[in-house]
Amino acid sequence: QVQLQESGPGLVKPSETLSLTCTVSGYSITSAYYWAWIRQPPGKGLEWIGSIYRSGDTYYSPSLKSRVTISLDTSNNQFSLWLSSVAAADTAVYYCARLDFLSGYYGAVPTSFDCWGQGTLVTVSS
Amino acid sequence: QSALTQPRSVSGSPGQSVTISCTGTSSDVGRYSYVSWYQQRPGKAPQLMVYDVTKRPSGVPDRFSGSKSGNTASLTISGLQAEDEADYYCCSYAGNYILVFGGGTKVTVL
Repeated sequence: QVQLQESGPGLVKPSETLSLTCTVSGYSITSAYYWAWIRQPPGKGLEWIGSIYRSGDTYYSPSLKSRVTISLDTSNNQFSLWLSSVAAADTAVYYCARLDFLSGYYGAVPTSFDCWGQGTLVTVSS
Repeated sequence: QSALTQPRSVSGSPGQSVTISCTGTSSDVGRYSYVSWYQQRPGKAPQLMVYDVTKRPSGVPDRFSGSKSGNTASLTISGLQAEDEADYYCCSYAGNYILVFGGGTKVTVL
């Protein structure tokens, strides 16, 4: 059974870089699927941050693209998120998730988040 | 890409049916049949309830059903139960490997 677990600092200072890691167990991240990060500010809705395919190809939300990097660490079966120049608005629960896809006319289209980590709260404050 | 539009809240009595709408555009919901729905209970991670507009993952009760017409997708909960009280989010593929969520709907069981 696949499980995902986020880890990283719970407090980051403004203007610094947020860094989180998602450890995947029960499934190899190089076998298939996309792997994704989603966040949820306190009391607000979900926001897709970005995804990475097993090939290493990355896709980011247009609103965050200039500040986001996602990468794979295949030796440890992990993937990571870096978000630079953070501000108070980046305070949120950050989730990692497995992202299913369908291969067809449009290519390997990401379709649904079928497995989620428990989430980790990151607060941006001095 | 803008967030998909959902009603802030819907409510119903036990046994009734409720429907949550999710309105997008011809570039996302209207163009692709890749709409998914998530249930989120307080303090918990979201859980996939419906994918590819109408499909249910194993273990999800058949009381949950999805549909789509034009730029609007819908999630219907039939035979509402107390345990269905939660927040529900829709999500759609929007092209160029981008995904967009709705703002969320709180379902209250009266």
